[in-house]
Amino acid sequence: AQKITQTQPGMFVQEKEAVTLDCTYDTSDQSYGLFWYKQPSSGEMIFLIYQGSYDEQNATEGRYSLNFQKARKSANLVISASQLGDSAMYFCAMREGRQMMDSSYKLIFGSGTRLLVRP
Amino acid sequence: NAGVTQTPKFRILKIGQSMTLQCTQDMNHNYMYWYRQDPGMGLKLIYYSVGAGITDKGEVPNGYNVSRSTTEDFPLRLELAAPSQTSVYFCASSYSTYNEQFFGPGTRLTVL
Repeated sequence: AQKITQTQPGMFVQEKEAVTLDCTYDTSDQSYGLFWYKQPSSGEMIFLIYQGSYDEQNATEGRYSLNFQKARKSANLVISASQLGDSAMYFCAMREGRQMMDSSYKLIFGSGTRLLVRP
Repeated sequence: NAGVTQTPKFRILKIGQSMTLQCTQDMNHNYMYWYRQDPGMGLKLIYYSVGAGITDKGEVPNGYNVSRSTTEDFPLRLELAAPSQTSVYFCASSYSTYNEQFFGPGTRLTVL
């Protein structure tokens, strides 16, 4: 079964508007972490934001925020005030388990969402 | 800091050839990882290391080998290259499993 699901293969957003990229996850662990990475057309993977399962507040990093709904097992990325440079692939990833557990070394990636920002 | 560096950037191999993908990080991270990314997909873990001398298999280790003789370097060896190994390979490192992983720029490998 897929552990990370990104249901939007592609999305458009108008420049300066906000956009939400969906991510749902599946785990039976109580301790886990959720990451979002950006992959521009140049190919590198850029870390954006992290949410721990025990974090009570939603994570924010500049224009990025993570809408974490634990009961629904969703960790949606919100990008405010979109810029042309935000056009890229976005990957949601999950780390399961506690520190030093075998599963904790592995990031499980979703299939990604391609975002295109229109001028 | 250069972060995570990978060489080469591109490589074309013939079936059955071998090669080593190099990865170096200068952040003194104990944890290092190798991923592959197939077209239109997310990344899958090949091997990881929790420190010099310690490595273990990830999700898709078949056809690959790794070694970790120093904290900085984590080379990935492909023996007997096959077309199924055509992919983009990323090396990454992290301070701990709870922290974000920093990725190298990737190596695009084609096996013909």
